[in-house]
This record gives sequence, C-alpha cells and structure tokens, in this order.
Amino acid sequence: GQQVMQIPQYQHVQEGEDFTTYCNSSTTLSNIQWYKQRPGGHPVFLIQLVKSGEVKKQKRLTFQFGEAKKNSSLHITATQTTDVGTYFCAALISSGSARQLTFGSGTQLTVLP
Amino acid sequence: GAVVSQHPSWVICKSGTSVKIECRSLDFQATTMFWYRQFPKQSLMLMATSNEGSKATYEQGVEKDKFLINHASLTLSTLTVTSAHPEDSSFYICSARAAYNEQFFGPGTRLTVL
Repeated sequence: GQQVMQIPQYQHVQEGEDFTTYCNSSTTLSNIQWYKQRPGGHPVFLIQLVKSGEVKKQKRLTFQFGEAKKNSSLHITATQTTDVGTYFCAALISSGSARQLTFGSGTQLTVLP
Repeated sequence: GAVVSQHPSWVICKSGTSVKIECRSLDFQATTMFWYRQFPKQSLMLMATSNEGSKATYEQGVEKDKFLINHASLTLSTLTVTSAHPEDSSFYICSARAAYNEQFFGPGTRLTVL
C-alpha cells in the first residue's frame, strides 16, 4: 500500500539550533497532517496542509507542503527543551470506500540544554 | 480541541486473559474511530477502522477474531484483546475523527501481558 517515508529517524540538537523533519511519498497526497508525541504521551494534532505549495506557521514551527504534493516538511526555529518529542507526518489515504491515516515513521527530537 | 478518553490507562494481565479497552469521544460524536498499536520507538500502525453500527474494517495481518472491536454508539468503541499473549504487549491508541479530517487521539492504553 501507499507509504509515507520520514527522515531523519533521530535528531539531537543543542537548544537554540534549528530542526527540520521531512516526509515523502511516491504518490500525490490529498493532504498531509503533522502530529507531536511527547515521551509517554499520545499523538497531538498540530496542523493539516491541503494546498500545493502551502506554507503555514505556528510560532516557531513552519510547515510546508510541496508543489507536487508529494513531500512535506516541518521546521522548528531556535529549538527549546519543550520541543522534545517525536514528530509524525500522516497522510489521509483512501482505501476502498474508507479513508485512513497513514503515519510516517516519525522523527525523535532531543534538545540538549 | 475535542477530547477522547481511553480506559484503562494501563493493564497488566496473565497470558490467556482477555482485556477490554474503551475509547470514548467526550464532547463530540464520532461515526468513525480508529485503533492503532505502537511498539516502543516505532510509529503508529493502524489495526482497524471502527464504524458505528457496522463491522470494523481490519488492516492486513490483524486477526479480527483476536482483536474484537465493537462500536455500539457514536461516542464509544471498544477493543477486546482475546487470549492475550506476551507478544500482544504494546501501547494501544484509539482516535476519533472529527470535522475537517482532524483526528483526536486518546491517551493510550499500555498493555503488558506476563
């Protein structure tokens, strides 16, 4: 089935450094969603992108959807220790008559103080 | 955002026991709920899609007789792990779909089978 590839798997940064995680699909996606999961917690919805080339910002977080709608990125400027967690992209993919969320493998972010 | 609760938060049971996990949407109605399994340091893997009033749709490789799903109302779905074995130990997370395709996740249930 369709897969969403995400890199890197792990990222360690010094507090204040920037961080980026990337998502790629071999097929065109109707939308891409981003989630954050804190250690021991559950995924929390961050944002959804649906338009080609769309860019959305949430404070220090910038989300981008590629022109071809096959890739997306999440960029965090000047990371803080509160940014620690695993960031997942997810695509809503039609499977028969159903739509289901397919998650990328996630990028585990560690921020060193 | 909308709230999804899950009960219990964690459970430890002996091999061969059946365990029931409840997922509730507290402030909205969800015709569709999803059950995921997440092993340590791995991504969420969809197990099944639960539709209110109809049979669940299971993903390939997920045994429907082992993971019984019931979605009896618009606010409640249950997952029963029958005859649990140590390899079933995992973090089980439900989610409920709200408007605009946004999914809200429950806090998860950590199952440990001894």
